[in-house]
Amino acid sequence: RKEVEQDPGPFNVPEGATVAFNCTYSNSASQSFFWYRQDCRKEPKLLMSVYSSGNEDGRFTAQLNRASQYISLLIRDSKLSDSATYLCVVTRGGNKLTFGTGTQLKVEL
Amino acid sequence: GAVVSQHPSWVICKSGTSVKIECRSLDFQATTMFWYRQFPKQSLMLMATSNEGSKATYEQGVEKDKFLINHASLTLSTLTVTSAHPEDSSFYICSARARDVSYNEQFFGPGTRLTVL
Repeated sequence: RKEVEQDPGPFNVPEGATVAFNCTYSNSASQSFFWYRQDCRKEPKLLMSVYSSGNEDGRFTAQLNRASQYISLLIRDSKLSDSATYLCVVTRGGNKLTFGTGTQLKVEL
Repeated sequence: GAVVSQHPSWVICKSGTSVKIECRSLDFQATTMFWYRQFPKQSLMLMATSNEGSKATYEQGVEKDKFLINHASLTLSTLTVTSAHPEDSSFYICSARARDVSYNEQFFGPGTRLTVL
């Protein structure tokens, strides 16, 4: 079983739609959680950290459920520029990031 | 934000040659740099952790004699793919963690696309 699992998609949504991605992680000792965004043939860029209390950054809301080992990302009012692959990332302490394979989002007119 | 550069952006080489990739933190000091590899439609996989002035720590299954890492200064780490073969063709990405921060954010370089013929 992969340490971080994501539905690869692609998710094709119309502009303005609300879309949610989920991610599960297998190691209960995981300590920090992030969503990264990766555009085609580019490096990943940090989108936001994820906390148990939930956190929001503009149109983006992230949530962590430690009991279920589940992380979510909600994007409201999606824009064409949101088209990318969204990577769920966890750490077990220290500096090592473990990446999911990513969920591809395509926002269409 | 912090900037990390990689050079070259892409390289095409013949099988059996060695390729060196540089990773630099441009506006901060990085005590730790990380090297990742990403095959098409797969996740980034950590290859090794590079600490300034000490030997790199390799992940299980990564050959240290094939992927030579040198972290000679607080702003530069190099990855040399020795005797490259077509199966080494991949997207190699480095990241750097700043020296004086307590959180886990890593700043990624733009990546190097290696194609071995």
